[in-house]
Amino acid sequence: AQKITQTQPGMFVQEKEAVTLDCTYDTSDPSYGLFWYKQPSSGEMIFLIYQGSYDQQNATEGRYSLNFQKARKSANLVISASQLGDSAMYFCAMREVSFGNEKLTFGTGTRLTIIP
Amino acid sequence: DTGVSQDPRHKITKRGQNVTFRCDPISEHNRLYWYRQTLGQGPEFLTYFQNEAQLEKSRLLSDRFSAERPKGSFSTLEIQRTEQGDSAMYLCASSRGGGNGYTFGSGTRLTVV
Repeated sequence: AQKITQTQPGMFVQEKEAVTLDCTYDTSDPSYGLFWYKQPSSGEMIFLIYQGSYDQQNATEGRYSLNFQKARKSANLVISASQLGDSAMYFCAMREVSFGNEKLTFGTGTRLTIIP
Repeated sequence: DTGVSQDPRHKITKRGQNVTFRCDPISEHNRLYWYRQTLGQGPEFLTYFQNEAQLEKSRLLSDRFSAERPKGSFSTLEIQRTEQGDSAMYLCASSRGGGNGYTFGSGTRLTVV
């Protein structure tokens, strides 16, 4: 069963507008972490933002914020005032812990294109 | 802290050849991960080391794949008898564990012709 679901394969947004990238997740573990990464065409995975399952406040990092709705199991990324350099693939990921071992499980990603 | 380094950045090989990739993690990170990413997909977990111990392997890691981290520092991923389906980006990441600090390298893009 897919544990991270990103339902938007691609999005086009006008420069300077805000954009929301959707992510839902599935886990029975009460302790987990949610991540968003940006992957430009060069290939490197750039960490954007992290939300722990017990964090009371939504995470924010500059223009990035995470809309964490625990009951709905959603962790949407909001980018305010989009810029041309935001054009990239965006991946939502969840940290899973099993028998003391931890790893990240990724969604299929959303390709964001910012239009000038 | 120079980040996670991967070498080579690109590799083109003929089907049936063996290839080896190297990953140098952030020095104070004891955990190291290998992921594979095919076109249009998110990274898929392959294997995980804590220090020199390989603690978890995905079923994606067939017998042709082997990974090592001999002294708990750098790691190598070897693919024997490469197949066209092995063409992908191979990403390495490292972390201290237990927190939010996973750092990825720039990846090795493998093309099997």
